[in-house]
Amino acid sequence: RKEVEQDPGPFNVPEGATVAFNCTYSNSASQSFFWYRQDCRKEPKLLMSVYSSGNEDGRFTAQLNRASQYISLLIRDSKLSDSATYLCVPYNQGGKLIFGQGTELSVKP
Amino acid sequence: DAGITQSPRHKVTETGTPVTLRCHQTENHRYMYWYRQDPGHGLRLIHYSYGVKDTDKGEVSDGYSVSRSKTEDFLLTLESATSSQTSVYFCAISETRLQGTSTDTQYFGPGTRLTVL
Repeated sequence: RKEVEQDPGPFNVPEGATVAFNCTYSNSASQSFFWYRQDCRKEPKLLMSVYSSGNEDGRFTAQLNRASQYISLLIRDSKLSDSATYLCVPYNQGGKLIFGQGTELSVKP
Repeated sequence: DAGITQSPRHKVTETGTPVTLRCHQTENHRYMYWYRQDPGHGLRLIHYSYGVKDTDKGEVSDGYSVSRSKTEDFLLTLESATSSQTSVYFCAISETRLQGTSTDTQYFGPGTRLTVL
């Protein structure tokens, strides 16, 4: 089983839609999680961090379910500029991050 | 944006040739990382450095070596490139050791696209 699993998508949604991605992780000891955003052929950039049950930042909400070992990212009122690949990243004790392969989102007019 | 540059940005080489990729930072951050990114995989850590001349292996270090003689530069060398090393290589930096806390911030460089024929 992979350490991190994400639905690669693509998720094709219209502007204004609400979309959610799930990410499952295998290491039950993972305490912290990050969502990174990666635009096509660009470097990943940190979107948000999750340390407890969840986090909210504007239109973006991350929720953590430790019992089922998954973390979700919800995007409300999608914008064209939200089109990107979203990487789920559990923190691996030992000073390292484990990157999922990403979920591709395409927001259409 | 963090001051991280990578060179070259694109390179095509032949199997068996040596290749060196350079990562340069102007942030004076202690920690530097090399990742590779391939379709169907997340970013995978190749090597990292926690100070000048202090380096350690990541999960996919075979076939790669690194050196860090100055705080600002972290070099990744493919001693004898193979087609399986065709990938996009990202350098990253962090000021402190990643601890999974709100202070963790890892910045990435723009990437180097390497093709080994």
